[in-house]
Amino acid sequence: AQSVTQLGSHVSVSEGALVLLRCNYSSSVPPYLFWYVQYPNQGLQLLLKYTTGATLVKGINGFEAEFKKSETSFHLTKPSAHMSDAAEYFCAVSDNRGAGNQFYFGTGTSLTVIP
Amino acid sequence: ETGVTQTPRHLVMGMTNKKSLKCEQHLGHNAMYWYKQSAKKPLELMFVYNFKEQTENNSVPSRFSPECPNSSHLFLHLHTLQPEDSALYLCASSQEGTGSRQPQHFGDGTRLSIL
Repeated sequence: AQSVTQLGSHVSVSEGALVLLRCNYSSSVPPYLFWYVQYPNQGLQLLLKYTTGATLVKGINGFEAEFKKSETSFHLTKPSAHMSDAAEYFCAVSDNRGAGNQFYFGTGTSLTVIP
Repeated sequence: ETGVTQTPRHLVMGMTNKKSLKCEQHLGHNAMYWYKQSAKKPLELMFVYNFKEQTENNSVPSRFSPECPNSSHLFLHLHTLQPEDSALYLCASSQEGTGSRQPQHFGDGTRLSIL
C-alpha cells in the first residue's frame, strides 16, 4: 500500500524567505512522486515530478524537490517566496505496478506568504 | 490550463434532483478520472476509466453514476444526493501505457452544494 504524509497543514513565510513544504511517502516499490499546486477556485496544476534519474527535480515557478530514498521524503522548496506562491500544495505518490493508475494524495499544505 | 474542461463550475441542487457533471479533455489522453475533494481530507479517487473502460470504482455510492462515451468525455450523473456529498468534484486525465507513470492533468472542478 502507498500513502503520503504532508507535515504541517499550514505554513507561513515572509516574502523573500525560503519555502519548505514537507512530504513523506510510503511505498513498497520504487515510487513516482509529484507535487501539485491548487490556487483558489481552480484545479490542481503539476509543479514537478520525479520518475527516475536525477533525484533533484526542478519544476515551474522556481520550485524544486529532492527525492531522498533513505528518508522516504520528497520535500518541496523554493529559495525566495513570492506573494503569488500563496496556494494549497499537494504531494502525491504513484507507481507503475499492475493495471491501476491510482495516485495517492496527501491532505495538502496551505502556504501563506506575508508581505 | 484549458486541457481539461469541466462544466458547470458551480451547481446547487436539492437532494431529490438529478443532474450531471461533464468533463472534456483536449490532450489526447486515454485515461480519465473523477475525484472528490472535501475540506481537510485527501483527494478521494472515485472512478477510473482506461480506454473508455471502467477499471476502478472505489466503493462509491450508487447515487453517483459515471459514463465515459469516448476517451475525451466523462460524465458523472448524480441523483438523490446527500448533504455530505457537497464538495469540489475534479476531473483529471492522463496518458497511460507509456512505461512510466505520467502525471494527471486536472480540470478546475465543479463546486457542488446539496441543499
